[in-house]
Amino acid sequence: EAQVTQNPRYLITVTGKKLTVTCSQNMNHEYMSWYRQDPGLGLRQIYYSMNVEVTDKGDVPEGYKVSRKEKRNFPLILESPSPNQTSLYFCASSLTGNMNTEAFFGQGTRLTVV
Amino acid sequence: KQEVTQIPAALSVPEGENLVLNCSFTDSAIYNLQWFRQDPGKGLTSLLLIQSSQREQTSGRLNASLDKSSGRSTLYIAASQPGDSATYLCAVRSSAAGNKLTFGGGTRVLVKP
Repeated sequence: EAQVTQNPRYLITVTGKKLTVTCSQNMNHEYMSWYRQDPGLGLRQIYYSMNVEVTDKGDVPEGYKVSRKEKRNFPLILESPSPNQTSLYFCASSLTGNMNTEAFFGQGTRLTVV
Repeated sequence: KQEVTQIPAALSVPEGENLVLNCSFTDSAIYNLQWFRQDPGKGLTSLLLIQSSQREQTSGRLNASLDKSSGRSTLYIAASQPGDSATYLCAVRSSAAGNKLTFGGGTRVLVKP
């Protein structure tokens, strides 16, 4: 089954403790991205990757890092999480980064930073 | 800058009634528009993708129209069922937003049995 898989689905952590949220897709997609969803602010893009070893900032990149060492994986790294990073996170992928492609989303990771 | 608006924010209808969900965007130079469904605590499920050259797309009870010139899309869900209760999001991909998806705030739908 074609899918985008995120882990973990739920995570509670403490301020300052580094964490990684994994994202993997099995569709051989070139383009992957991370979004966060907050009440009243909707979905906002954090980082995106056009292809392996190519990443770029989205609208709200502060406090996050990403890497794209292989095509299928695009982990989101919070080096020193803070309470304002409490949010619902989504990973997405598309066949390419061009304008005509459909986006597929993972199931989401609900992160709470205390 | 691209902005996407969905009105109303919430909608409640009796079972069997047709649903009409609206999405408007400020920059009409879009590449495509995608409708998603989001269930509480779940991810986004893609419902329909309309390319900029298309006027509508259909899938089962769902029909989405696109009027680029007026910056509007409408999602119609025929003969609504309680299982249609969810939040519906529209998103546009446009050069004004650097080719990324710009999302609306969503319409939360409740279909009462």
